[in-house]
Amino acid sequence: QQPVQSPQAVILREGEDAVINCSSSKALYSVHWYRQKHGEAPVFLMILLKGGEQKGHDKISASFNEKKQQSSLYLTASQLSYSGTYFCGTESGGSNYKLTFGKGTLLTVNP
Amino acid sequence: KAGVTQTPRYLIKTRGQQVTLSCSPISGHRSVSWYQQTPGQGLQFLFEYFSETQRNKGNFPGRFSGRQFSNSRSEMNVSTLELGDSALYLCASSWDKSYGYTFGSGTRLTVV
Repeated sequence: QQPVQSPQAVILREGEDAVINCSSSKALYSVHWYRQKHGEAPVFLMILLKGGEQKGHDKISASFNEKKQQSSLYLTASQLSYSGTYFCGTESGGSNYKLTFGKGTLLTVNP
Repeated sequence: KAGVTQTPRYLIKTRGQQVTLSCSPISGHRSVSWYQQTPGQGLQFLFEYFSETQRNKGNFPGRFSGRQFSNSRSEMNVSTLELGDSALYLCASSWDKSYGYTFGSGTRLTVV
């Protein structure tokens, strides 16, 4: 089953914060987050593993609630370069080697 | 270092034909995955290879097949093309999935 991402789209002004959620109906082993700009390849942001810690770098961080099978991506003090479509990819087993992606969240950051 | 290289970048094929897409992973990456990306369905997993062995396969018809060579390069083949196969086909490689996957720029396939 495909994870559900929310919101589908969000528009921000530079400097504002955003939260993107990813929810699955299946027990998860890991959650990946990727950003894809128009016409480009998806770029890996971070991975959260079952039993692992909240991850983050710079002003982008994420959490993983194993009990609820949910992950959230936090973007703080957004920059123009944050614009793009954000995808979560979930893995249900350690030996799965298959990511099931959500439909994406389109983030637009305006000056 | 060089990224994931996919060739060709664009392809136009006629219904019923077959097509082969190529992917060269980052040097040292032995895992190669393929995904189909469409506006309606998003990113959908096709298959994953490691050391020439397919470890997982997505829910696609048997017309979609792939293979991996001893140098980790991978190809995917689609036979008897249908209009609905028009999509961006993305290849991703990984040294270890806990470090995430690096995607190539994709092959844009148009079936007419």
